[in-house]
Amino acid sequence: ELKVEQNPLFLSMQEGKNYTIYCNYSTTSDRLYWYRQDPGKSLESLFVLLSNGAVKQEGRLMASLDTKARLSTLHITAAVHDLSATYFCAVGDMEYGNKLVFGAGTILRVKS
Amino acid sequence: KAGVTQTPRYLIKTRGQQVTLSCSPISGHRSVSWYQQTPGQGLQFLFEYFSETQRNKGNFPGRFSGRQFSNSRSEMNVSTLELGDSALYLCASSSRTGEDTQYFGPGTRLTVL
Repeated sequence: ELKVEQNPLFLSMQEGKNYTIYCNYSTTSDRLYWYRQDPGKSLESLFVLLSNGAVKQEGRLMASLDTKARLSTLHITAAVHDLSATYFCAVGDMEYGNKLVFGAGTILRVKS
Repeated sequence: KAGVTQTPRYLIKTRGQQVTLSCSPISGHRSVSWYQQTPGQGLQFLFEYFSETQRNKGNFPGRFSGRQFSNSRSEMNVSTLELGDSALYLCASSSRTGEDTQYFGPGTRLTVL
């Protein structure tokens, strides 16, 4: 059974600092997603990572995937207050079509 | 391009009642998945429909059911509601199975009293 672990679960950062969120998963998968969720809102797609070594960047966020280690990272560079949200990684369960297994989420608070 | 829409956005029901939630995917998308989000269990997969067929089902009781219509719109139904069914129900659409991004709708917030 595919399990996904995210850490840390809560992250309080100062503006301008860098930090990394980690996402580990337990079985082979061919796709990994990162989503952002603001309070009371739905999930916004950030990145789709489909191959080993994939790296994608958008603004101050960069995501990477190491399928051999079953690890993805979401790196935040020079954090700003607007990045405050909950970030989820989700891993495609290869046995079940489009089923995604989500991590517990990382609550990010950027303090000015 | 219009996004995923879900109706209703909010719903209050009492125990024992049933409820039907609706999801309209992005135009051209044929895959619709449903997820339940609660503070305690997080985001959990309910089921996926593709071209009117249920392809996969999560670990939920038979009170949770769904269907998909020929225009790809999907409904999910929960019968004999329990307090624990209170949650945000999200649907996601994608153009095909596998690698594509799944786009989530705004969700339906169900409260069971």
